Amino acid sequence: GDSVTQMEGPVTLSEEAFLTINCTYTATGYPSLFWYVQYPGEGLQLLLKATKADDKGSNKGFEATYRKETTSFHLEKGSVQVSDSAVYFCALSGTGTASKLTFGTGTRLQVTL
Amino acid sequence: SAVISQKPSRDICQRGTSLTIQCQVDSQVTMMFWYRQQPGQSLTLIATANQGSEATYESGFVIDKFPISRPNLTFSTLTVSNMSPEDSSIYLCSARVDSGNTIYFGEGSWLTVV
Repeated sequence: GDSVTQMEGPVTLSEEAFLTINCTYTATGYPSLFWYVQYPGEGLQLLLKATKADDKGSNKGFEATYRKETTSFHLEKGSVQVSDSAVYFCALSGTGTASKLTFGTGTRLQVTL
Repeated sequence: SAVISQKPSRDICQRGTSLTIQCQVDSQVTMMFWYRQQPGQSLTLIATANQGSEATYESGFVIDKFPISRPNLTFSTLTVSNMSPEDSSIYLCSARVDSGNTIYFGEGSWLTVV
C-alpha cells in the first residue's frame, strides 16, 4: 500500500538558517504530494502541493519539487523564522477520486533566535 | 479552496459520555473525511463520509464507537461514543474540493476525557 516516510524530528534551527525536511514515498501510479503544517494549538493547513513529476510547489518561502525518479518531495526554505516553528506533515493522495491522504509521521521544527 | 468549521473547538468530557462534533464546509463537496490525531502523533483516518451512503470505516474503527452522519453536501457529524481517556485526541474534519485533488482541514476539535 501507499506510505510516506519523513525524517525524524525534532529539528532545531537558528533563525535565518536553511531548512530541509526529507520526505520519500511509496505509491502505485502517479500520486499527488502535499505538505501540511500544524502550528501549535491549531489544525492542519495546506502549505503546498504538486500533482505531477517535476512540479514545484511553493508558498510562504517554502518549496518542494516532485521527484519521481527518487520518489521524494523534500521541503526546503532558504531562511526560516521563529514563526515557522510548527509540525510539518508530508502526505500523498493516490490517483482516483476516491483516494484518501496518507500521512507521514510529522517533523517538529523549532526555530530559535 | 474550502473553509471548514468545526464545533466544538475544545471540550472536556466525562468518561462514559458521548460527544458529537459538527463539521460545516463553505461549499458543496462529495467526500468528507474524519481523522484522529492522538497527542504527539500523526493523523489516522477514521472514516470516509460520502453524502447519501454509509460511511466507510478504516481498520480499527467501528460504527458503534464512531457513528457518522452526512445529511447533505456541506455538513457532517462524528460522534465519539462511550468515551474513555484513550479517546482524548484531536478530531479533524476534512473535505476534498471537487475541483481538484486537494483535501482541506478544519481547525480540529480537541477533546479531553477525564
